[in-house]
Amino acid sequence: EAQVTQNPRYLITVTGKKLTVTCSQNMNHEYMSWYRQDPGLGLRQIYYSMNVEVTDKGDVPEGYKVSRKEKRNFPLILESPSPNQTSLYFCASTPGLGPHSPLHFGNGTRLTVT
Amino acid sequence: SQQGEEDPQALSIQEGENATMNCSYKTSINNLQWYRQNSGRGLVHLILIRSNEREKHSGRLRVTLDTSKKSSSLLITASRAADTASYFCAPYGNKLVFGAGTILRVKS
Repeated sequence: EAQVTQNPRYLITVTGKKLTVTCSQNMNHEYMSWYRQDPGLGLRQIYYSMNVEVTDKGDVPEGYKVSRKEKRNFPLILESPSPNQTSLYFCASTPGLGPHSPLHFGNGTRLTVT
Repeated sequence: SQQGEEDPQALSIQEGENATMNCSYKTSINNLQWYRQNSGRGLVHLILIRSNEREKHSGRLRVTLDTSKKSSSLLITASRAADTASYFCAPYGNKLVFGAGTILRVKS
């Protein structure tokens, strides 16, 4: 089944403890992206990648890192999480070099930082 | 900004009625995409309409686009309880930007 898989689904952590949210897609898509969703703010893009080893900042990149060492994987890293990073996170991918074609979303990771 | 702004913020209707959601944006676009999100789950793509198209259908969904008014609408006909979800428009110009969404509740 074609899908974008995120793990974990739920994560509770404490301020400053490094964490990684994994994202993997099995559709051979070029473009991958991370979003965060907060009430009343819609989805905001954190980082995106148009190809292996190519990553770029989105609208809200502060406090996050990503890597794209393989085409299928695009992990999101929070080196020192803070409470304002408590949010619902989504990974998405699309076959083109950008989101001009429809995005396929993972099921989300709900992160709570205390 | 390019961000889509949906209207209304929330909509509650009876099963069988039609639901209309509107989207406005501010800059020129290449296409406009509509997505659905069931409670806390990932977004699912519904329909994409290109800037040179005025109307598009997919099953019970009808999307219109008026580039002169920088607006789009999503019509869901004969709504069902399973249509209860949040709906987002995402205009695409040089990037894809999501609005805050319309929460649709269909009562059975």
